[in-house]
Formats: sequence, structure tokens, C-alpha cells
Amino acid sequence: NAGVTQTPKFQVLKTGQSMTLQCAQDMNHNSMYWYRQDPGMGLRLIYYSASEGTTDKGEVPNGYNVSRLNKREFSLRLESAAPSQTSVYFCASRGTGGNYGYTFGSGTRLTVV
Amino acid sequence: KNEVEQSPQNLTAQEGEFITINCSYSVGISALHWLQQHPGGGIVSLFMLSSGKKKHGRLIATINIQEKHSSLHITASHPRDSAVYICAVRGGTAGNKLTFGGGTRVLVKP
Repeated sequence: NAGVTQTPKFQVLKTGQSMTLQCAQDMNHNSMYWYRQDPGMGLRLIYYSASEGTTDKGEVPNGYNVSRLNKREFSLRLESAAPSQTSVYFCASRGTGGNYGYTFGSGTRLTVV
Repeated sequence: KNEVEQSPQNLTAQEGEFITINCSYSVGISALHWLQQHPGGGIVSLFMLSSGKKKHGRLIATINIQEKHSSLHITASHPRDSAVYICAVRGGTAGNKLTFGGGTRVLVKP
């Protein structure tokens, strides 16, 4: 099925460990986004990529890095995980033009202990 | 003051009732989105609006650009409509990025 695929769905890390969250879309969308969702905080933008080869910081970028590997893939890396990064992470994509909505992945539930 | 405010925060309805969720925003926007998130689940885009009204099944979304207000209506509500509904706007101070409301948690009892 067309859409946004995120892996893994669940992950437990120890403080200081690193990991990469993978995201791929097969809709030929230009823009891709990484959000985190925390109880009582709603969705917050971590990083986004308006097009292949470009990335920009969002609202809460500290502790994260991203790579827009190609048009399909946008990965999020935690270099040294901290308990404050325990959250649910969502990847999303959007096509160009004013009439395109957003498609979200199913989320990654990350716990840092 | 948040740029996007939703009301109510929580809503409980009996199956079959008509439900309205409101969203107010304080900046000029290019589009408004309504999203649905089931408990423990992913996020689904329900509507994207820049003017007027859209309908999909039992869901109706309206927007009044002059009043900076949007409503999401659920007609003949069903327990499977129980979810968090999120309003998000694109434009304003965030440019092409989304600014999210805090969500409305809807519970429909059988």
C-alpha cells in the first residue's frame, strides 16, 4: 500500500546509546517531516526536509540529526539517547502545491531508560 | 496564547449524537488540516481546507477564514469515532510547516 513506512515500531534504548529511525515514502512527495508527540505537549516538529538535499531545524532539534538520503527516505538519528527523548515519533510527507495534504507514518514508540 | 486553540479538550457522547469540535487560530493561514488519532495508533489526515466546507461520509469540516475558525462535525456518532481529533494550520509564523492544536479527545459510548 502506498504511504509512509516507519521502522522500527518500538524500541528501548539505554541512556547514551545511538539509533536511527527510518522513514520512507513511495508517493513521490518532496517534503518530509519528523515530529515527536508527548503527553500534554501535542505534536512538535523536530526537523523537516522541503526537498531532496535540504534539511532544516524545527521546533525541538536538539539531540537529533537527520539525513535526506534521497527523495524517498528521511532518517532521524539520536546520537546519544537521553530519557527526555522518550516519546512517540512520527514521520510525515507532503507533496508540492497547495492542495496536497499530509500522510503520516504509523509511529515509533521509543523508550530511553 | 497558542496560535491554534481547540475546544473542547474532552468530549463524551452517546452513540448517534451529533458532535462538534471547534478550532480557532490567530494568524493568517494557507490551509487548515483536521487529523484523527486512535488510541495507540497512527495519525490519519481527514481534511485539508482553505475555504468553505468538505464532507466525507459522516464527517463534515467547515472553515470561516474571516473569523479564523473551523469546525469538525461528526453526524450519527459511533463508538469507532472515539479518537483524538487534531486541528493543524499551515502558514502564519510557521511558514509551510504545521502548527498543531492540543487535540480533542472524543469518547462515544454505545
